[in-house]
Amino acid sequence: GEDVEQSLFLSVREGDSSVINCTYTDSSSTYLYWYKQEPGAGLQLLTYIFSNMDMKQDQRLTVLLNKKDKHLSLRIADTQTGDSAIYFCAVSGGSYIPTFGRGTSLIVHP
Amino acid sequence: GAVVSQHPSWVICKSGTSVKIECRSLDFQATTMFWYRQFPKQSLMLMATSNEGSKATYEQGVEKDKFLINHASLTLSTLTVTSAHPEDSSFYICSANRRDSYTYEQYFGPGTRLTVT
Repeated sequence: GEDVEQSLFLSVREGDSSVINCTYTDSSSTYLYWYKQEPGAGLQLLTYIFSNMDMKQDQRLTVLLNKKDKHLSLRIADTQTGDSAIYFCAVSGGSYIPTFGRGTSLIVHP
Repeated sequence: GAVVSQHPSWVICKSGTSVKIECRSLDFQATTMFWYRQFPKQSLMLMATSNEGSKATYEQGVEKDKFLINHASLTLSTLTVTSAHPEDSSFYICSANRRDSYTYEQYFGPGTRLTVT
């Protein structure tokens, strides 16, 4: 089955850019998502990209997809303390049921 | 739009009792609802997928007699943890697909923290 990998932690200074990386194994993956989870809460869909796209930008968020390397990244510009959370990469294919990575804890310090 | 609620948000129960958790899509009809379990600092583990009016599909290793799922309508699914034990303590999260969506993204509830004493 699909395997989705993310680094577990990322620490950045407020105002810098954050880049969270994700790799996956199934080349037939169609939909790729980024979710944010704040402490004690459910997951909030931040953005998604289709496999036929290379890049998607939505305000401070930029998603880059390298299909050849099966690599997805989420860049957060001008990171704020309110961005501190766990970010999950999720990938789905024909079944439309996504496989989630373990999540990257983003810590933003002043 | 696309709000999913869960009730209760947290519950403490004694070992051997049963607990029911509700998941509702408040402003949309859900084609499919999903139940996940999340351990501290770990990813979501999909427990089961349910469609309205049909039996839930359980993932390998999930006991269907212990985790009863009922999907009564296009806006409501329930998870009942029967004869709960301390090892069932966890964060349970539900999600739903919109019936009118073509991107199949899931909308998540806020989660239910279950503690079994």
